[in-house]
Amino acid sequence: GAGVSQTPSNKVTEKGKYVELRCDPISGHTALYWYRQSLGQGPEFLIYFQGTGAADDSGLPNDRFFAVRPEGSVSTLKIQRTERGDSAVYLCASSLHRVGSGELFFGEGSRLTVL
Amino acid sequence: QKEVEQDPGPLSVPEGAIVSLNCTYSNSAFQYFMWYRQYSRKGPELLMYTYSSGNKEDGRFTAQVDKSSKYISLFIRDSQPSDSATYLCAMSALLNAGGTSYGKLTFGQGTILTVHP
Repeated sequence: GAGVSQTPSNKVTEKGKYVELRCDPISGHTALYWYRQSLGQGPEFLIYFQGTGAADDSGLPNDRFFAVRPEGSVSTLKIQRTERGDSAVYLCASSLHRVGSGELFFGEGSRLTVL
Repeated sequence: QKEVEQDPGPLSVPEGAIVSLNCTYSNSAFQYFMWYRQYSRKGPELLMYTYSSGNKEDGRFTAQVDKSSKYISLFIRDSQPSDSATYLCAMSALLNAGGTSYGKLTFGQGTILTVHP
């Protein structure tokens, strides 16, 4: 596809369950980011991948959150033992490497609701 | 106090009006300044991108950065109903000593804009 693709678009789960959110970046984009956007707030940085490795995971809130990008393309954000406070829209973005810090292309997000 | 402050509005203007959106920030290390537009239930899309201080114009949009005051603005001329969206300011610092940076952006809260016909 032409843009960043995220699945599922909506996920409703119960407190304590495990969740996986998937991101398929724009073809050829080596940099991939996860952001989290709570209702009425701007997106907050979670993690940045350059290729297969997590170059900056300083935004992950705690060890229940983990992300992988094993082949340098698709990435999965994993949340263990979900809590109600994890409810938010999880945005994935990609960019060409070394093309300025603002030129991120965002997907439409995965809306997570923890009951 | 947040690193980036943005009035959430909402802001409602008539079609054709000039719109002014603003953000202030506290981190003097910020050097890249951006404005994103976000439609309901969509991801943010980049509108304007500025490095350091100055003005940048693109069609009906003008971005201004005043680093001495830690203040950035976005002006929309001849506003249209299709401009109705949430506008997010975003900024980042130079994070790499080699002169490059990556997309670790700090966003404002977003301003909800409605342009009515």
